[in-house]
Amino acid sequence: EAQVTQNPRYLITVTGKKLTVTCSQNMNHEYMSWYRQDPGLGLRQIYYSMNVEVTDKGDVPEGYKVSRKEKRNFPLILESPSPNQTSLYFCASTPGQTLGTDTQYFGPGTRLTVL
Amino acid sequence: AQSVAQPEDQVNVAEGNPLTVKCTYSVSGNPYLFWYVQYPNRGLQFLLKYITGDNLVKGSYGFEAEFNKSQTSFHLKKPSALVSDSALYFCAVSPRTYKYIFGTGTRLKVLA
Repeated sequence: EAQVTQNPRYLITVTGKKLTVTCSQNMNHEYMSWYRQDPGLGLRQIYYSMNVEVTDKGDVPEGYKVSRKEKRNFPLILESPSPNQTSLYFCASTPGQTLGTDTQYFGPGTRLTVL
Repeated sequence: AQSVAQPEDQVNVAEGNPLTVKCTYSVSGNPYLFWYVQYPNRGLQFLLKYITGDNLVKGSYGFEAEFNKSQTSFHLKKPSALVSDSALYFCAVSPRTYKYIFGTGTRLKVLA
């Protein structure tokens, strides 16, 4: 089954404790992206990757890192989480072959709470 | 700054009645436009998109959307609402780059 998976689905952590949220897709998509969803703010793009080893900042990249060493994986790293990063996070992927026209396939989401 | 506006936080409609969820955008050029739906505890699912051509776009589950370039709008519509349509709806815009801009979401509640 074609899908985007995220782990963990739920995470409660404390301020300053480094964490990684994994994202993997099995559709051989070139483009992957991370979003955070907050009430009243909708989805905001954190980082995106156009292909292996190619990443760029979205609208809210502060406090986050990403890497794209393999085509299928796009982990989101919070090196020193803070309470304002408490949010619902979504990973998404698209084939990436036609700039901006592709449908995005979303993962199930990761609910992160930083105490 | 580029933005997408969904002016209604919630839309209530009776089952069987037509529904409209509004979206306007402020993006330069000729962007691509999308609608996604989010059911509780699920990721977003694609409904439809406008790339070019006919201003009326048909999508999944009987939804359609009308692109209006002069009003920079892309309203989502359905002729007859179902209770199962109750969900959170997001309008999104791609300004022909690798970035996507989402609206704040509109919660649709269809009443039996």
